[in-house]
Amino acid sequence: DGGITQSPKYLFRKEGQNVTLSCEQNLNHDAMYWYRQDPGQGLRLIYYSQIVNDFQKGDIAEGYSVSREKKESFPLTVTSAQKNPTAFYLCASSMWGLADQPQHFGDGTRLSIL
Amino acid sequence: AQTVTQSQPEMSVQEAETVTLSCTYDTSESDYYLFWYKQPPSRQMILVIRQEAYKQQNATENRFSVNFQKAAKSFSLKISDSQLGDAAMYFCAYRMNRDDKIIFGKGTRLHILP
Repeated sequence: DGGITQSPKYLFRKEGQNVTLSCEQNLNHDAMYWYRQDPGQGLRLIYYSQIVNDFQKGDIAEGYSVSREKKESFPLTVTSAQKNPTAFYLCASSMWGLADQPQHFGDGTRLSIL
Repeated sequence: AQTVTQSQPEMSVQEAETVTLSCTYDTSESDYYLFWYKQPPSRQMILVIRQEAYKQQNATENRFSVNFQKAAKSFSLKISDSQLGDAAMYFCAYRMNRDDKIIFGKGTRLHILP
């Protein structure tokens, strides 16, 4: 079955440490997205990518970095510059240029500070 | 900039009754798409229903229907015959036709009372 796989499900970060969240999809989607979810804040866009080797900042990109070396993969690195990283992170994908198509989501990664 | 507003942070409804969740949005565009997503306690995001702005007919999916008022920029979700499995966070979302970004509201938590 096609879908989006996020790993790990739970992740702990020490002060000053960078951590990377994995997102893989086998839906042959062009566009991939990272969202951060905090209580009462809904989903806020961190980064998105429409094509391999290209990505754009979303609304809250500071303290995060991404790469898109393969169509199937869009890892998110939470750097030490992100001072409040504790949140639920969702990865999504969709067909590029087909706005009527919904985004498909992974099951999320919960990141906490040790 | 486009915004999506869900004015009801929480709602409750008796099982088997009907409930309406509100959503308003702000845009100067005429061609766009609107979505309702459901996020149950498992945190998985599930598409409930979608509406194309150029279609006047309100979308319907089984017990779920929308009241789309384009001039008023309103997109409410009606759930008929509420079931315990409908308990979840519901997010309203907007996507412009020429953009791959989706803008989410902050969500409404729906409780189903047995």
